[in-house]
This record gives sequence, C-alpha cells and structure tokens, in this order.
Amino acid sequence: GENVEQHPSTLSVQEGDSAVIKCTYSDSASNYFPWYKQELGKGPQLIIDIRSNVGEKKDQRIAVTLNKTAKHFSLHITETQPEDSAVYFCAASSNDYKLSFGAGTTVTVRA
Amino acid sequence: DAGVIQSPRHEVTEMGQEVTLRCKPISGHDYLFWYRQTMMRGLELLIYFNNNVPIDDSGMPEDRFSAKMPNASFSTLKIQPSEPRDSAVYFCASSLWGSAEAFFGQGTRLTVV
Repeated sequence: GENVEQHPSTLSVQEGDSAVIKCTYSDSASNYFPWYKQELGKGPQLIIDIRSNVGEKKDQRIAVTLNKTAKHFSLHITETQPEDSAVYFCAASSNDYKLSFGAGTTVTVRA
Repeated sequence: DAGVIQSPRHEVTEMGQEVTLRCKPISGHDYLFWYRQTMMRGLELLIYFNNNVPIDDSGMPEDRFSAKMPNASFSTLKIQPSEPRDSAVYFCASSLWGSAEAFFGQGTRLTVV
C-alpha cells in the first residue's frame, strides 16, 4: 500500500515568515495529493490539493508543488499569521477516496 | 448544512464493553469514511462506503470492529469487545462523487479503561 512520509514533525516560525512542509510517497500510481489542516479539537479540513498533471498550485498565501519523478510534494505558507498555527497533514491517493496520510506537522507561528 | 455530525463527542467505557459510534454525513454526499487518529499511528482509514455499500474495509484492525451504513444519512462503527488499545479519536467524513474533498466531523474521543 501507499506510504507517506512527512517532515518536519514540528515547525516554529516567526509571524510573517514562510513555512515549508515536505512529503514523500511510495506508490507511483498515486495521482491526488491533498493537504489538510487540523485545529485543536476539530476534524481535519482541506486547504489545498493538487493532481499529478499539475506541477504547482497556489491559493492566496498557500501553495503546493509536486515532483512526480522524485515522488515528493510540498506545502508552502507565506506571510504566516497566528491563525496558521495548527497541525498540517499531507495525503496521497490513487483513486481520490482512499487517502494515506502523513504523520502530521505541528506548526506554531510566534507573534 | 450542519456538516458531518458525530455522536457521542466523548465516550469512556470499560474494557470488554460494546461501543457504538454514530455518524450523519452531509446530505447528498455519497461517500462515507471512518478514520482513527492516534499519536502512534496518525490518521488511518478504517473503511469507506459508496452509496451505502462498503467498498474497502482493509483498514479495519480486526474482527472486533464492524461498520454499517443502513441508509444514506446514518452510519455506525461498532467495537465489541472494546480494549484499551482502541482508545483514539474516531472521525467520520463524507464526500461527493467527483469532488474528492472529504469533510470531517468533529470526532469521537474514545477512552477504554
């Protein structure tokens, strides 16, 4: 099955700086890569996703890049704000529905 | 829509007891997922349904776990008998065919003592 590794496990950044989280996957059949944000006491929420036919996607302050050859994808958050503090999960899937999640990255934005 | 609704939010039970977790997906969604979240294993997909039919239950840890979806607006995850290692947060999620975005409920925190 699919194995998704995520780094780092924790990330502390100064408000206004950028944050980068990296993931690798093992199954070359995976073609859908979403990122979820989980706030304390809540369920994960989709923030951005990318498909294998696209190398980069951007939505305001967040962007995701995908390198299919190397089997890795990254989340970039620019101009971080305190409300960006949360746990972020990457995931991979070959059918849109059976998601394999990374272990998560706890992001803390320091004011 | 109120989103995915799970009940109870918290459940404390004694080892050996039967536990039933409940989920109401978003109206109109045709996929329903059950996930388990622990510190050790992260977020794991246990089972998912399409149009009330189980599609993949390969993540169900053992026979003590069972899930049903009797209709489009209700699903249950049952653990019988429960064990302390089943302690986790269990999430239900739903999605619409063709969308891929899974909408998660707030989870049920299960503690087995």
